[in-house]
Amino acid sequence: DVKVTQSSRYLVKRTGEKVFLECVQDMDHENMFWYRQDPGLGLRLIYFSYDVKMKEKGDIPEGYSVSREKKERFSLILESASTNQTSMYLCASSLLLDRQTSTDTQYFGPGTRLTVL
Amino acid sequence: QKEVEQDPGPLSVPEGAIVSLNCTYSNSAFQYFMWYRQYSRKGPELLMYTYSSGNKEDGRFTAQVDKSSKYISLFIRDSQPSDSATYLCAMSEVTGGYQKVTFGIGTKLQVIP
Repeated sequence: DVKVTQSSRYLVKRTGEKVFLECVQDMDHENMFWYRQDPGLGLRLIYFSYDVKMKEKGDIPEGYSVSREKKERFSLILESASTNQTSMYLCASSLLLDRQTSTDTQYFGPGTRLTVL
Repeated sequence: QKEVEQDPGPLSVPEGAIVSLNCTYSNSAFQYFMWYRQYSRKGPELLMYTYSSGNKEDGRFTAQVDKSSKYISLFIRDSQPSDSATYLCAMSEVTGGYQKVTFGIGTKLQVIP
């Protein structure tokens, strides 16, 4: 079974702090994703990565950065946390399948509920 | 207008009922259609995916896609309390050389014993 783990289930930080959210997958997946999930807004893609040291902006990258130094690990960084970044953060990974013929089945971690005070 | 519309519910049904969950979409480029289930305080897990219009069945679950109407459905037969969760529809398109997945906001389902 694919396992995606996230470093913390719950996190409380103060405005202006630098926050690191870590995600590790154990199935040698090429693709990794960071989403945030908010009531009424659903899942929104922040950043994704298709390879080590590679990153692409998603729909809402502002205020975030990412790092992928190893294939199994994808980190989300909040350089200076703000209250509007209070949310559930979900990491996902998937295989790099033939993009023209097969969908990109994503496996999600349990999520990190971040509160910024 | 959102690309994917999904009624957030909540939807409450008695055990054993047939449940119908639906999403509409506006982007004709969507090729793959998926349903994820998310239990409280957990990450989403893939239930089913389909390509193009038609039906796909997996046990008590049936996914239906009508591309002409831009409408997808998930039916759950003989619903069980363990089916109580939030169900997210998701759709993907190939853009810029990769697959982009767009999720609905999820419908919260409660199956009452």
